[in-house]
Amino acid sequence: NAGVTQTPKFQVLKTGQSMTLQCAQDMNHNSMYWYRQDPGMGLRLIYYSASEGTTDKGEVPNGYNVSRLNKREFSLRLESAAPSQTSVYFCASSDWTGYQETQYFGPGTRLLVL
Amino acid sequence: AQKITQTQPGMFVQEKEAVTLDCTYDTSDQSYGLFWYKQPSSGEMIFLIYQGSYDEQNATEGRYSLNFQKARKSANLVISASQLGDSAMYFCAMREGDSGNTGKLIFGQGTTLQVKP
Repeated sequence: NAGVTQTPKFQVLKTGQSMTLQCAQDMNHNSMYWYRQDPGMGLRLIYYSASEGTTDKGEVPNGYNVSRLNKREFSLRLESAAPSQTSVYFCASSDWTGYQETQYFGPGTRLLVL
Repeated sequence: AQKITQTQPGMFVQEKEAVTLDCTYDTSDQSYGLFWYKQPSSGEMIFLIYQGSYDEQNATEGRYSLNFQKARKSANLVISASQLGDSAMYFCAMREGDSGNTGKLIFGQGTTLQVKP
């Protein structure tokens, strides 16, 4: 049981290049999320997907697109990377058991845009 | 607008002592959830504890407990018997919306905890 996995772990891009961050969960969760964490700060929500086939904007969606490919996978795409997108990106999925909810995070992708 | 405030940028505690990390929140929702996460220097986000707004008892998970004071809108994390491995950044977060709904989280700025031997 791998939980939430993310690829790649590290990436260096030049300004204007594009890339896709991959995320997959094996816990059969309906909801998935993409956050970014800038140095010394908490996480901020970029996009989320409440269920397969739906996506919605979070707090900081500009410059990103997402795809909920199926229940397991939720990808984040940077069409034209900018230095301001240098950050650590976390994917997460959530579960509600009826009395407790938990949000599980992937290990993160460190992205540097030059 | 919903907001999470962690006023302690850094904290020190002696090994084996207890420590309280502060968190206050602001929301107009009646139903919400509060979370604490640990982020060690390796960078992963580790779930510690959850408190629902309707839960009457404070949540506990091993050495972690959440001191939930609803009227004061505070959700402080208490770590008992600190260990060296507790040195990390700690984030308080709040889930927007009703229980069982989409769990969009709002995070505080974090508190860095250093445990001294």
